[in-house]
Amino acid sequence: DGGITQSPKYLFRKEGQNVTLSCEQNLNHDAMYWYRQDPGQGLRLIYYSQIVNDFQKGDIAEGYSVSREKKESFPLTVTSAQKNPTAFYLCASSDGLLTGELFFGEGSRLTVL
Amino acid sequence: QKEVEQNSGPLSVPEGAIASLNCTYSDRGSQSFFWYRQYSGKSPELIMSIYSNGDKEDGRFTAQLNKASQYVSLLIRDSQPSDSATYLCAVIPSGTYKYIFGTGTRLKVLA
Repeated sequence: DGGITQSPKYLFRKEGQNVTLSCEQNLNHDAMYWYRQDPGQGLRLIYYSQIVNDFQKGDIAEGYSVSREKKESFPLTVTSAQKNPTAFYLCASSDGLLTGELFFGEGSRLTVL
Repeated sequence: QKEVEQNSGPLSVPEGAIASLNCTYSDRGSQSFFWYRQYSGKSPELIMSIYSNGDKEDGRFTAQLNKASQYVSLLIRDSQPSDSATYLCAVIPSGTYKYIFGTGTRLKVLA
């Protein structure tokens, strides 16, 4: 089945630790995105990538890093520099501006202890 | 700052009624518009996409777009309790690959 797989689903981290969230898609989509969602809030864009080996900062990139070495994969690292990392993280992909339809993975819920 | 505005709700409708969800956007050049449904604790699910003025129907859902008024809406006919969720409006502004999401409208369908 085609889709987007995020892992882990739940993650606990101690303050000062970096963590990496995995995102893999088999939809053959060029564009991939990372969003953060806080309780009762909308989606905020962290990073996005239109093509392999290229990515751009979104609205809240500070304290996060990404890579796009393969078309299928767009991992997100939450660094210790992110002051308030507890949130629901959503990875998404689209076929670019062909239809523009954006599809989401199931999300990763990060809690900092 | 390009924006998408939605009433946060909750919008309460009785079972079987029509639910009407509204969204306005600021970038006049926007070309692509989407509605997502998000259940509590889950990820958003695409319901409808619309690109040109007018209505687009898919089952119980109808999306309506009016670019002159910068307004997009979602109608849900014969609302069911299972439709209770938060509905997110998303827009792709002109000249960008960045989606702008509204904060969502919470819909409650009362049995």
